[in-house]
Amino acid sequence: DVKVTQSSRYLVKRTGEKVFLECVQDMDHENMFWYRQDPGLGLRLIYFSYDVKMKEKGDIPEGYSVSREKKERFSLILESASTNQTSMYLCASRAGSSSYEQYFGPGTRLTVT
Amino acid sequence: AQSVTQPDIHITVSEGASLELRCNYSYGATPYLFWYVQSPGQGLQLLLKYFSGDTLVQGIKGFEAEFKRSQSSFNLRKPSVHWSDAAEYFCAVGPRWGQNFVFGPGTRLSVLP
Repeated sequence: DVKVTQSSRYLVKRTGEKVFLECVQDMDHENMFWYRQDPGLGLRLIYFSYDVKMKEKGDIPEGYSVSREKKERFSLILESASTNQTSMYLCASRAGSSSYEQYFGPGTRLTVT
Repeated sequence: AQSVTQPDIHITVSEGASLELRCNYSYGATPYLFWYVQSPGQGLQLLLKYFSGDTLVQGIKGFEAEFKRSQSSFNLRKPSVHWSDAAEYFCAVGPRWGQNFVFGPGTRLSVLP
């Protein structure tokens, strides 16, 4: 079974802090995604990576950056956390562009105070 | 613009009753369609997907969905709901070629004993 893990289930940070959210997948998948989940809005794509060191902006990249130095790991970075970034963050991976099934991690609930 | 609507924010059914969750989409081309389920505190799990062919697709956990092109709909059904089906359900649409998916806002299902 594909396993996608996220470094923290719950995280509390202060406004202005730099925040790192880590995601690791164990199936040698090429594509990885970061989504933000808010009530009533569903999932919105922040960034995705189609290969190591390759990334593309999603629908809501402002205030976020990403890093993918190794195939199995995709990090989401909040350079200066703000209260409007309080949300659930979901990571997903997918084998490649010809495979449409995404496998999701359990999520990180981030609270910025 | 691509969009997915799920008209019902919250549905409550009795255990053993039938279920239908609605999904409508707006898309410029023939999309790939998905239903995901999210149990409390968990990531999203793929229930079923439609790419082409038979418009009635079967998924896991006894769910099925029907693609109706004329109505731009992809409704999810289950003939007899179990208490363990209580969760949030997301409809999603994606392109035949590309990376971006659009998720609906979700429908929360409660099951009465």
